Amino acid sequence: EPEVTQTPSHQVTQMGQEVILRCVPISNHLYFYWYRQILGQKVEFLVSFYNNEISEKSEIFDDQFSVERPDGSNFTLKIRSTKLEDSAMYFCASPPKGGTDTQYFGPGTRLTVL
Amino acid sequence: QKEVEQDPGPLSVPEGAIVSLNCTYSNSAFQYFMWYRQYSRKGPELLMYTYSSGNKEDGRFTAQVDKSSKYISLFIRDSQPSDSATYLCAMSSSGGSNYKLTFGKGTLLTVNP
Repeated sequence: EPEVTQTPSHQVTQMGQEVILRCVPISNHLYFYWYRQILGQKVEFLVSFYNNEISEKSEIFDDQFSVERPDGSNFTLKIRSTKLEDSAMYFCASPPKGGTDTQYFGPGTRLTVL
Repeated sequence: QKEVEQDPGPLSVPEGAIVSLNCTYSNSAFQYFMWYRQYSRKGPELLMYTYSSGNKEDGRFTAQVDKSSKYISLFIRDSQPSDSATYLCAMSSSGGSNYKLTFGKGTLLTVNP
């Protein structure tokens, strides 16, 4: 299975602090996604990225969230002022090379907001 | 009505049993159907992918899609203790610049030796 990597694996932060989650998707793909999963709940779509632009945002992805591609291979998800309810697993996902309609997920970052 | 419904279980079977996992959905635009396996606090692992209606087999796993009934299934033959995990169904529509996935809540499966 193609590899998507994420760092850190676990992030603990205080409420109101900014966090940056990082992902390295399958190389050179135009499509990229962020999802989150609150403990015990389903995986939820946050934002999709196509050709270096956001193509869709969910209702969850409010002004506190932003996504960037600081260089050619890495993506970041920033939460500006974390809330308790932001505690969740955050996953990035990428289609395989040459594909578009399946997605391979990274191992996730567990965010704990205290 | 939720877009994707999946019985959360838990489902407990003896080793060697045939397991049937199911999801129903309401959005007729869904065309791409996937099953993922997820271990606790890990990323979803892609198991099976099916486009539109039909069956697909891969080893002990068979995925079925019935678009007329808006119903998808995953069958696991000769189940093993290592199959114990949460199984997630996921689906998407033809998105152009977006193939976002909509997930079911997952079914927790335990295969007992």
